[in-house]
Amino acid sequence: DAGVTQSPTHLIKTRGQQVTLRCSPKSGHDTVSWYQQALGQGPQFIFQYYEEEERQRGNFPDRFSGHQFPNYSSELNVNALLLGDSALYLCASSLVSEAHSGNTIYFGEGSWLTVV
Amino acid sequence: SQKIEQNSEALNIQEGKTATLTCNYTNYSPAYLQWYRQDPGRGPVFLLLIRENEKEKRKERLKVTFDTTLKQSLFHITASQPADSATYLCALEDSGGYQKVTFGTGTKLQVIP
Repeated sequence: DAGVTQSPTHLIKTRGQQVTLRCSPKSGHDTVSWYQQALGQGPQFIFQYYEEEERQRGNFPDRFSGHQFPNYSSELNVNALLLGDSALYLCASSLVSEAHSGNTIYFGEGSWLTVV
Repeated sequence: SQKIEQNSEALNIQEGKTATLTCNYTNYSPAYLQWYRQDPGRGPVFLLLIRENEKEKRKERLKVTFDTTLKQSLFHITASQPADSATYLCALEDSGGYQKVTFGTGTKLQVIP
């Protein structure tokens, strides 16, 4: 049973460019959340997708957008990249029917984005 | 404003001793508090969840306490081993309809052989 998979694992972009990161949730999971983790910090919630809709959003600008596909996989898009967007981007999956029942949230290994 | 505070300084402990990590929060009314382990360059791994109406939870060598009056959780690793060396993240989940988790900055634990 594959866990959460993310791609690419590492990438380097130039300021002003756009990037797309991808996530496949754990088998059977229907909810995907994205987090940004800067060096030495805890993960910061970006947004969450369920049934192909953005359900919740953290304190991130509109340059950050996402999408969820019918197979529950998800993409994170960041436009007009800034140097400060350099971070580890984490995808987490869960099952909405088990929310608040103590179910486990599974994280992927992340995508390292460096903006130069 | 809402804050989740963990000791940002690394915790060094001798192998075999009990490691105790602290998580304090303000302006939150969490329904759940979670602890994760994160190794360098890897994603967080879920360890334990404790509900607001639970005082203590155990799993093997791990123990978590949750004091909603003090707004504090303590995370204990007994008989610590070098393999326990990692960053430990505290995370709060609110009681809203969606599973949004907010993380602290983490505490780095180093277990010295």
